[in-house]
Amino acid sequence: EPEVTQTPSHQVTQMGQEVILRCVPISNHLYFYWYRQILGQKVEFLVSFYNNEISEKSEIFDDQFSVERPDGSNFTLKIRSTKLEDSAMYFCASILRETQYFGPGTRLLVL
Amino acid sequence: GQQLNQSPQSMFIQEGEDVSMNCTSSSIFNTWLWYKQDPGEGPVLLIALYKAGELTSNGRLTAQFGITRKDSFLNISASIPSDVGIYFCAGQPGGTSYGKLTFGQGTILTVHP
Repeated sequence: EPEVTQTPSHQVTQMGQEVILRCVPISNHLYFYWYRQILGQKVEFLVSFYNNEISEKSEIFDDQFSVERPDGSNFTLKIRSTKLEDSAMYFCASILRETQYFGPGTRLLVL
Repeated sequence: GQQLNQSPQSMFIQEGEDVSMNCTSSSIFNTWLWYKQDPGEGPVLLIALYKAGELTSNGRLTAQFGITRKDSFLNISASIPSDVGIYFCAGQPGGTSYGKLTFGQGTILTVHP
């Protein structure tokens, strides 16, 4: 069964460093999303992406965040200068028939 | 922004018991989804509901899309130890916010053998 994949599974970085989280959505899906989940909290929407541009973004998704679909399969989330409060699980998702399928997540720890 | 109230926050039950959890919203959603999340993993889709009033089953799981489109419930019958995890409801609006899910706070389910 097709699935969303994400790399790396874990990333530890120093505050102020740039990180790039990678996702391969399910092929033939056209809408892509990033969510985050701070430890012990609910999943929160960050950004949606369609037709090579951002469709909608939340207030969390500030100038430090960017997304890109550099080729036909990858979908990336970049955090330019990480802060301690960026520590969280980051989930990529893609959609088919209004149903979102999530990847396993990348656990980001900012020290 | 839209808010979902999910209850209960946690449940401790005996194996074999039935479980019920629900979500309510002040806003209308076009789609309701129920996910299960195990520690350190991504949400796994359990049931998707697309129409108001829809009642859908997936094995021991049954979920309904409220007629007002502002609520949904999930029932688990005859619980087993592997049902342990966090259950999230999520609502999806239509229109320009297509696919933007709003999640409930989650229900932590513990099943005692």
